[in-house]
Amino acid sequence: GDSVTQMEGPVTLSEEAFLTINCTYTATGYPSLFWYVQYPGEGLQLLLKATKADDKGSNKGFEATYRKETTSFHLEKGSVQVSDSAVYFCALSDQKQAGTALIFGKGTTLSVSS
Amino acid sequence: NAGVTQTPKFRVLKTGQSMTLLCAQDMNHEYMYWYRQDPGMGLRLIHYSVGEGTTAKGEVPDGYNVSRLKKQNFLLGLESAAPSQTSVYFCASSSSGLNIQYFGAGTRLSVL
Repeated sequence: GDSVTQMEGPVTLSEEAFLTINCTYTATGYPSLFWYVQYPGEGLQLLLKATKADDKGSNKGFEATYRKETTSFHLEKGSVQVSDSAVYFCALSDQKQAGTALIFGKGTTLSVSS
Repeated sequence: NAGVTQTPKFRVLKTGQSMTLLCAQDMNHEYMYWYRQDPGMGLRLIHYSVGEGTTAKGEVPDGYNVSRLKKQNFLLGLESAAPSQTSVYFCASSSSGLNIQYFGAGTRLSVL
């Protein structure tokens, strides 16, 4: 079945450092890809999305490109802030079937220090 | 600007007790979901609903029941709680199309 694998955490960075969180997927067909973020004590919020190959999703300085050839959707940010400390989840969804559940990776904890 | 609201936020149960978690959404979404989040496991789907009056099993449905009597509400029930059901429970909803899911703030449940 479909699955998502993301890098193990925690990831610890200093403020203004470059961030990469790797995400690869296995899916039949052409899924939609998402990054969600969970701040401490809160629910998940959509960070960015991409629906087809070579699409780039971006939001709040974060970017991720849908790479079909490498089945990847790595999350990047050029300069992280303390406020970016959170858990980041990569997820996929079968585009052909409306209302299907998201399949999540296990999450990567990011801790940014000043 | 409520979005998805879950009640209660916290609950402690004894083994064998029952309870119901309530999820309400005000976005007129067709689809609703219940997930559980456990350390190192990500989120796993318990049950979901594609419309009022319909429900279906997800990845980890055992020990849970659900009902969707009204479009805006999705209830998750535990008939006889077990320590293995200690978790954080999240409700989500989405409209048709891109399947962007909107999440509630979660319910932290401890079963002793």
